[in-house]
Amino acid sequence: SQQGEEDPQALSIQEGENATMNCSYKTSINNLQWYRQNSGRGLVHLILIRSNEREKHSGRLRVTLDTSKKSSSLLITASRAADTASYFCAFYNQGGKLIFGQGTELSVKP
Amino acid sequence: DAGVIQSPRHEVTEMGQEVTLRCKPISGHNSLFWYRQTMMRGLELLIYFNNNVPIDDSGMPEDRFSAKMPNASFSTLKIQPSEPRDSAVYFCASTRQGGRIETQYFGPGTRLLVL
Repeated sequence: SQQGEEDPQALSIQEGENATMNCSYKTSINNLQWYRQNSGRGLVHLILIRSNEREKHSGRLRVTLDTSKKSSSLLITASRAADTASYFCAFYNQGGKLIFGQGTELSVKP
Repeated sequence: DAGVIQSPRHEVTEMGQEVTLRCKPISGHNSLFWYRQTMMRGLELLIYFNNNVPIDDSGMPEDRFSAKMPNASFSTLKIQPSEPRDSAVYFCASTRQGGRIETQYFGPGTRLLVL
């Protein structure tokens, strides 16, 4: 499968804690993206990290990329109940298709 | 901007019936994508268009599925005849232009149930 693999599949934390999600892939990439999906909604783009970048920040989000290990992580700091959603990594494969991971289901309890 | 618009939001139909899903991409976007999401298979790309031309339809599961983009502001995904295993959420997404740097903007999806 060309899908990215994410872990954990599900994560449950308390409000205020940090949440870390990991993504691994197999192909060479130009960039890797993270998306969020709230229940019953479409995916929303969160952040893009290019292959020549190692770390990127956006508000409470921190993304890292290790191209040697073909892996990326998404860290959400000081989580809130509103962060409850599924999070997907995505990357373009050799054929130019955007491939999504299976997602991590995050539950933040107030 | 209104974002990507999909209709209907929900569709319940009986096996054998024709189903038509509609999508209006963001104005000015030149690439359009149709995805299907299920618990078992996750998010799958069915087909995508650049400048109204189908580029890759290798993800279309069977001949029962067809997609058209008659102009830059409208696309349809048709299933004929529909089967229970087609039950899923179908998303449309668009980007400004094809390319490996682009982020995709998703519509709210159409939740399809085939009985």
